Amino acid sequence: DGGITQSPKYLFRKEGQNVTLSCEQNLNHDAMYWYRQDPGQGLRLIYYSQIVNDFQKGDIAEGYSVSREKKESFPLTVTSAQKNPTAFYLCASTSLRTDGYTFGSGTRLTVV
Amino acid sequence: EDQVTQSPEALRLQEGESSSLNCSYTVSGLRGLFWYRQDPGKGPEFLFTLYSAGEEKEKERLKATLTKKESFLHITAPKPEDSATYLCAVRIHSGGGADGLTFGKGTHLIIQP
Repeated sequence: DGGITQSPKYLFRKEGQNVTLSCEQNLNHDAMYWYRQDPGQGLRLIYYSQIVNDFQKGDIAEGYSVSREKKESFPLTVTSAQKNPTAFYLCASTSLRTDGYTFGSGTRLTVV
Repeated sequence: EDQVTQSPEALRLQEGESSSLNCSYTVSGLRGLFWYRQDPGKGPEFLFTLYSAGEEKEKERLKATLTKKESFLHITAPKPEDSATYLCAVRIHSGGGADGLTFGKGTHLIIQP
């Protein structure tokens, strides 16, 4: 079945450590997105990519980095510069010819 | 600045008690308004997309409507399994600006047996 796979489901980060969250889709979607969700807040856009080897900052990109080397993959790195990384991270994708967004099941990142 | 506001923040209903959730928006160049359902610890699940004022869509006990300033998600005779957080989001014509959906904070719906 087609869909978006995020891994790991749970991730623990030590202070000063970089961690990478994986997002893979087999929907043949062109665009991919990373959102952050905090309790009591709406989803906020971190980065997005509409084509391979190109990506743009969203509303809260500071402390994060991404790459898009393959159409299917859009990993997110949470760097040590992100001061408050504890959150639920969601990856999404969509075809540029439609408007429907498909979401992954999320990764919960906790700083220990 | 584009804004999406959902109300109420939380709603508790008895099984079978119909109600509506509200999503008001102030955006320029609406490309689409989306409703999602999110269960705890999971990603949002797509429900509806609405594109123009007057449009309505239905799915089982849910019906979404759209005006020029707001959208309603009507839930008829809800069941406990309808308990979830319902998210509203808008997509605008980017015109060279940032792409992506702008989300409201959601309405946490609890249906008691």
